[in-house]
Amino acid sequence: GDSVTQMEGPVTLSEEAFLTINCTYTATGYPSLFWYVQYPGEGLQLLLKATKADDKGSNKGFEATYRKETTSFHLEKGSVQVSDSAVYFCAQHTNAGKSTFGDGTTLTVKP
Amino acid sequence: EAGVAQSPRYKIIEKRQSVAFWCNPISGHATLYWYQQILGQGPKLLIQFQNNGVVDDSQLPKDRFSAERLKGVDSTLKIQPAKLEDSAVYLCASRDRDYSPLHFGNGTRLTVT
Repeated sequence: GDSVTQMEGPVTLSEEAFLTINCTYTATGYPSLFWYVQYPGEGLQLLLKATKADDKGSNKGFEATYRKETTSFHLEKGSVQVSDSAVYFCAQHTNAGKSTFGDGTTLTVKP
Repeated sequence: EAGVAQSPRYKIIEKRQSVAFWCNPISGHATLYWYQQILGQGPKLLIQFQNNGVVDDSQLPKDRFSAERLKGVDSTLKIQPAKLEDSAVYLCASRDRDYSPLHFGNGTRLTVT
């Protein structure tokens, strides 16, 4: 069945460090891929998305490229800030409104 | 636009008691979801509604969980009787069409003692 696998956390970085959070997926169809972010005490909110192969989603300095050949959608940011500390979820959305989430990666950025 | 509203934010009950959660999705969003999020895990689908009809409830523990979406707008999720393992955050989400992003509420944190 459809699944999403994220790199295990937690991840702790110093401010201005480079961030990569790995995400791979398995799907029977052609999903859209998403990264959601969950700040403390809040619900999940969309960070970025890509709807087809080779698309690059970007927002707030974060980027992820839809790689069909490696079934991956890794999240990257060149210089993280303390305010980026949150839990990040990779997800795929397929037809009939089906969505599958990874287990989340907790990022802590220290000043 | 107003976001997805959920209440209550927190609930503490004893095992075998009952509890209900309420969700009001974004206006015009036909699809509504209830997810269970256990600490350290991603959201797991409990039930999906399209307007007021159930699309997928295959993961809903129907012996104790029930949900309804009257008039295709608000929705309630009920647990009766609750078990210790039901302690989790219950998230409501909505979307306007397939493949579009989900819009989540802030969730209800349930603690069963």
